Amino acid sequence: GAVVSQHPSRVICKSGTSVKIECRSLDFQATTMFWYRQFPKQSLMLMATSNEGSKATYEQGVEKDKFLINHASLTLSTLTVTSAHPEDSSFYICSAWPTQGAGEKLFFGSGTQLSVL
Amino acid sequence: LAKTTQPISMDSYEGQEVNITCSHNNIATNDYITWYQQFPSQGPRFIIQGYKTKVTNEVASLFIPADRKSSTLSLPRVSLSDTAVYYCLVGDTEGGKLIFGQGTELSVKP
Repeated sequence: GAVVSQHPSRVICKSGTSVKIECRSLDFQATTMFWYRQFPKQSLMLMATSNEGSKATYEQGVEKDKFLINHASLTLSTLTVTSAHPEDSSFYICSAWPTQGAGEKLFFGSGTQLSVL
Repeated sequence: LAKTTQPISMDSYEGQEVNITCSHNNIATNDYITWYQQFPSQGPRFIIQGYKTKVTNEVASLFIPADRKSSTLSLPRVSLSDTAVYYCLVGDTEGGKLIFGQGTELSVKP
């Protein structure tokens, strides 16, 4: 099946630093990717929709200047958490819709656990 | 986007069949029903997808009544490794976003 690679799997950083998370579709092209965050014992919350070659669409309540999304190619989307603070500590998950082929399924990365000290 | 409602948790024993029902009363004509499984600290994993009637694959079956306002995920003969959170999602398949509900935390006991 299609594989979505997400890196890093875990990151610990100091408050005030920026962290970049990469999401790659390894064996398919994805015009659209999504970014979710998940707090312990809670469901996934959609943060934004990332479209290749255009600006991301953010869900209500998500700061676009805080969570920078870049989707520069059909296989790569990045999420940068700028000036991270302890309240940004969470599990971040990306997903991708294949542009062609198995378009009925949304494939997920393995997630990134961000801990801000 | 259609909202889904599932039981928050379920308990089962090894070897039993588990059925998890999801309600989606305002499902749209173009919407598919998709179930995902998630283990702690991992991304969700696709289990099964259907539009109507019954779908079966190597790991599960999905039953969808004619009105499509609900669906039931059936896991045959569960094992301890099936302990996870199961999410029912409803949405179209043309690259549209999917919204996760609360999910069902399934606990399989020996």
